[in-house]
Amino acid sequence: SQKIEQNSEALNIQEGKTATLTCNYTNYSPAYLQWYRQDPGRGPVFLLLIRENEKEKRKERLKVTFDTTLKQSLFHITASQPADSATYLCALDDRNQFYFGTGTSLTVIP
Amino acid sequence: DGGITQSPKYLFRKEGQNVTLSCEQNLNHDAMYWYRQDPGQGLRLIYYSQIVNDFQKGDIAEGYSVSREKKESFPLTVTSAQKNPTAFYLCASSIQVNEKLFFGSGTQLSVL
Repeated sequence: SQKIEQNSEALNIQEGKTATLTCNYTNYSPAYLQWYRQDPGRGPVFLLLIRENEKEKRKERLKVTFDTTLKQSLFHITASQPADSATYLCALDDRNQFYFGTGTSLTVIP
Repeated sequence: DGGITQSPKYLFRKEGQNVTLSCEQNLNHDAMYWYRQDPGQGLRLIYYSQIVNDFQKGDIAEGYSVSREKKESFPLTVTSAQKNPTAFYLCASSIQVNEKLFFGSGTQLSVL
């Protein structure tokens, strides 16, 4: 069956450290993968997109990697801040649809 | 301001009642989507539309209906056939299918 799995437990890190979130998938062949941020009671907000032929993508303090052999994407937030606390969702495309993971809740402790 | 507007923010449905959730966008996007979000689960696609007067079922379309008479509008009706409608409903749009999604702020639907 098709699955998209993100960190099963909430992630708590100290301010200033690097947060690393994982997204693993099975039985999909996505052309690209996206990461979104969602705050409580709000809609997700797009952060980054990485294509299957790209190994790494950066945007300010964010970095995404995409390994199609391992079927995994890693999402890094460097120099984390309490304002980065949110749920982060990965999404991949397949047959004209986006499929989302369950999300990872990140809390950055001051 | 450009964006996607969902209304109402909160909605209550009585047994056997149909309710309609509104979604309007002024981004001039061709594609629009409806997702359902339940606690502890990922977003699941209900319906999507690539162009006016055309739409396709997603993975959980049963008990729902949509229309796309105007480019800007993609309302979702939760029918009485949907036996477990309590969830957070999210509307989204994109320039084309498989481009990045822009989401509305969601509608929380509960059953009385």
